[in-house]
Amino acid sequence: AQSVTQLGSHVSVSEGALVLLRCNYSSSVPPYLFWYVQYPNQGLQLLLKYTTGATLVKGINGFEAEFKKSETSFHLTKPSAHMSDAAEYFCAVMRGTGGFKTIFGAGTRLFVKA
Amino acid sequence: GAGVSQSPSNKVTEKGKDVELRCDPISGHTALYWYRQRLGQGLEFLIYFQGNSAPDKSGLPSDRFSAERTGESVSTLTIQRTQQEDSAVYLCASSLDSVGWTGADTGELFFGEGSRLTVL
Repeated sequence: AQSVTQLGSHVSVSEGALVLLRCNYSSSVPPYLFWYVQYPNQGLQLLLKYTTGATLVKGINGFEAEFKKSETSFHLTKPSAHMSDAAEYFCAVMRGTGGFKTIFGAGTRLFVKA
Repeated sequence: GAGVSQSPSNKVTEKGKDVELRCDPISGHTALYWYRQRLGQGLEFLIYFQGNSAPDKSGLPSDRFSAERTGESVSTLTIQRTQQEDSAVYLCASSLDSVGWTGADTGELFFGEGSRLTVL
């Protein structure tokens, strides 16, 4: 079965600093990987996804993530944090033996300091 | 509809009562998921429907929880004899299809706003 581990339940960065949110996964078959974002008092929305092809994927609001099979990782980065990036970020994996359900990590709350 | 619709948006109930939560997915979406999100925590998978296949119920925490889906449309999550630990936001999501099932979709989930359940 697939699973997702997000390192750090809270991450705090200064405005303009690099954002790095870590995600490691386990899957018995090649996975499909996603990052979702949940802004305060809003529903979850897709930030970016990796299915096949290029391992560096770009998403909305300047975020990107790189699929590294050898490290079983899919870390999310953004070169320069903005105050509006403050939100909860969830890494998710789809695919595994027995089905295609999507499993989410525990989430990382990003704080951005002025 | 334009998006995933969930009702009620808020439900307060007394311990021991049964509750029903409803999800109306995006038209044409064959995959439907229920997740539970406790305060300050991540999304806990509950159940997954894919077309006419048997649902994946592996995430249901106890036999008090059950869910049904009518064809490829509305789903109802039922919690019997509610307990205080059932208090959470229950999120529904739908997807056009599951990646690899027909190869037709990217697997993106579209979420509803959730049903906030409070058990007193």
